[in-house]
Amino acid sequence: NAGVMQNPRHLVRRRGQEARLRCSPMKGHSHVYWYRQLPEEGLKFMVYLQKENIIDESGMPKERFSAEFPKEGPSILRIQQVVRGDSAAYFCASSPDPVGTEAFFGQGTRLTVV
Amino acid sequence: DAKTTQPNSMESNEEEPVHLPCNHSTISGTDYIHWYRQLPSQGPEYVIHGLTSNVNNRMASLAIAEDRKSSTLILHRATLRDAAVYYCILSTPGTASKLTFGTGTRLQVTL
Repeated sequence: NAGVMQNPRHLVRRRGQEARLRCSPMKGHSHVYWYRQLPEEGLKFMVYLQKENIIDESGMPKERFSAEFPKEGPSILRIQQVVRGDSAAYFCASSPDPVGTEAFFGQGTRLTVV
Repeated sequence: DAKTTQPNSMESNEEEPVHLPCNHSTISGTDYIHWYRQLPSQGPEYVIHGLTSNVNNRMASLAIAEDRKSSTLILHRATLRDAAVYYCILSTPGTASKLTFGTGTRLQVTL
């Protein structure tokens, strides 16, 4: 059973471009969480999705950021018109239930905006 | 989610036990106590979790105070590979539950 897979591992975008980050949860997991970690800072919750539904997006910026978790395929975090401040590591986690037990994290996507 | 308080950093010698404390005085009766760790340049990794009773697994032990207002993660024999940031997190089970990370404790392990 493969772990949580995130791709790409590294992504470089010019200011104004779009960034698409993908997360394939562990098999059988229907709960996905996205976190952002700025350099030398802690992990900040962004959004919690369950298949086809956004459960909690309280940590996601209102502008330029969106997330989806379709019935088929990976979860996608999309950042439109990226700015230098979006440079960070983005981690996704999956769990079989609403984190009453254990969440499994991917290795992250490191986004650099130049 | 209820707040946790951890020391910013701790040091340990290799092969000695390490006790990482966490205070959570506003914990509610249904909150689980989770511990995760993050090694350099990696994603967080689950360590252990518990509700009321002490818990043991192959990685660590979790000692929970009787009033549940504090807990301690115990690494029985620290190795260099245990150097990481350790996060103590409370979560309330429910349909919208999530893990909220604080600043954690940076553990340094020396020879």
